[in-house]
Amino acid sequence: DAKTTQPTSMDCAEGRAANLPCNHSTISGNEYVYWYRQIHSQGPQYIIHGLKNNETNEMASLIITEDRKSSTLILPHATLRDTAVYYCIVRVTDSGGSNYKLTFGKGTLLTVNP
Amino acid sequence: DTGVSQNPRHKITKRGQNVTFRCDPISEHNRLYWYRQTLGQGPEFLTYFQNEAQLEKSRLLSDRFSAERPKGSFSTLEIQRTEQGDSAMYLCASSRTGGYYGYTFGSGTRLTVV
Repeated sequence: DAKTTQPTSMDCAEGRAANLPCNHSTISGNEYVYWYRQIHSQGPQYIIHGLKNNETNEMASLIITEDRKSSTLILPHATLRDTAVYYCIVRVTDSGGSNYKLTFGKGTLLTVNP
Repeated sequence: DTGVSQNPRHKITKRGQNVTFRCDPISEHNRLYWYRQTLGQGPEFLTYFQNEAQLEKSRLLSDRFSAERPKGSFSTLEIQRTEQGDSAMYLCASSRTGGYYGYTFGSGTRLTVV
């Protein structure tokens, strides 16, 4: 699986959009970009995933560049409860074979300030 | 969907003692994973079950570690002769096979070896 690079930490004001970048310059054509987050003392939580089109769900939006070498997770109106470590992971989709593992880096600690 | 349940949430043990953790996955999920997380690091893969079969073990899983998933339901992770370096959060996750099905993580068991 391709390696990802994320900033160690970021700050965001409550109510503002949080934009979390991720570089994955070695991503392969069949690898998806996944985002998870981990609130303190809890297990990681799935947020969103995408291949090459922008995606949006009730939690966030995912913007993937045309060359797919980087992406941005957008939390449109950050709240204090969004303070967490955010992990960007690239992986091929699970074909029922061996593509089941998620490999986590250190992620980005997002701190939402009042 | 009651989520992934892990017990106990916290465990303090003396060095040299054996400990066992339990994970109850989401009932319809046939895949189960154990991860370990130390302070400031992302979760690290330990082992994976598909139904009752343990299909992969990380090199992190020394001979003192053993995991089981009898009848493809709940799973246990046992650590024998605990060492201070075993102190970590042990996370369990489950998922379904095929396509993209995100992992659902439990809240973890925090082990402290004194």
